[in-house]
Amino acid sequence: SAVISQKPSRDICQRGTSLTIQCQVDSQVTMMFWYRQQPGQSLTLIATANQGSEATYESGFVIDKFPISRPNLTFSTLTVSNMSPEDSSIYLCSVESRYNEQFFGPGTRLTVL
Amino acid sequence: TQLLEQSPQFLSIQEGENLTVYCNSSSVFSSLQWYRQEPGEGPVLLVTVVTGGEVKKLKRLTFQFGDARKDSSLHITAAQPGDTGLYLCAGASGGYQKVTFGTGTKLQVIP
Repeated sequence: SAVISQKPSRDICQRGTSLTIQCQVDSQVTMMFWYRQQPGQSLTLIATANQGSEATYESGFVIDKFPISRPNLTFSTLTVSNMSPEDSSIYLCSVESRYNEQFFGPGTRLTVL
Repeated sequence: TQLLEQSPQFLSIQEGENLTVYCNSSSVFSSLQWYRQEPGEGPVLLVTVVTGGEVKKLKRLTFQFGDARKDSSLHITAAQPGDTGLYLCAGASGGYQKVTFGTGTKLQVIP
């Protein structure tokens, strides 16, 4: 299984600002995934990030709001743009193994005031 | 959109009791995973099942995949406070093997 780190672990931001979350993997992977999770609730996939191509976004998520970068096979960033209190959530990155098993980072807890 | 419904949504039990969590869908999954998540951490993979009717045991945890590969259950024997957490099932299906997460079961084991 891969070891995944995320930065920052948590942040408190003002509405209208943007936050970039970093995800680092200890091995090279083709796809990286970004999820959103309300505390104590399930996970919703935001987008899939492939190295060398644009990210693929799920229904309800758009690139202007959640731009993603994937500069190499071990790193990705997710930006939450023009934040509002509704964006307060936990953001998780993951990589996939056999049988679509997901290995997650520790998450970034975002609070927007 | 595939839905994975988990029940119960919340469960608070005494240490030593047994419990079962269910994960149900109308979709067929090629594989199904169970995860446990503790506060401040990402979900951690517990098990993967891929064959209809498959049963896997992990110490006090028993996982079963339905014969039709549409549902699964997690049974915990003699629950301990360390079992406390959010339990999530997740299934992969479709040509692109998209993963869908279940609605979650929050378990609290009281010492």
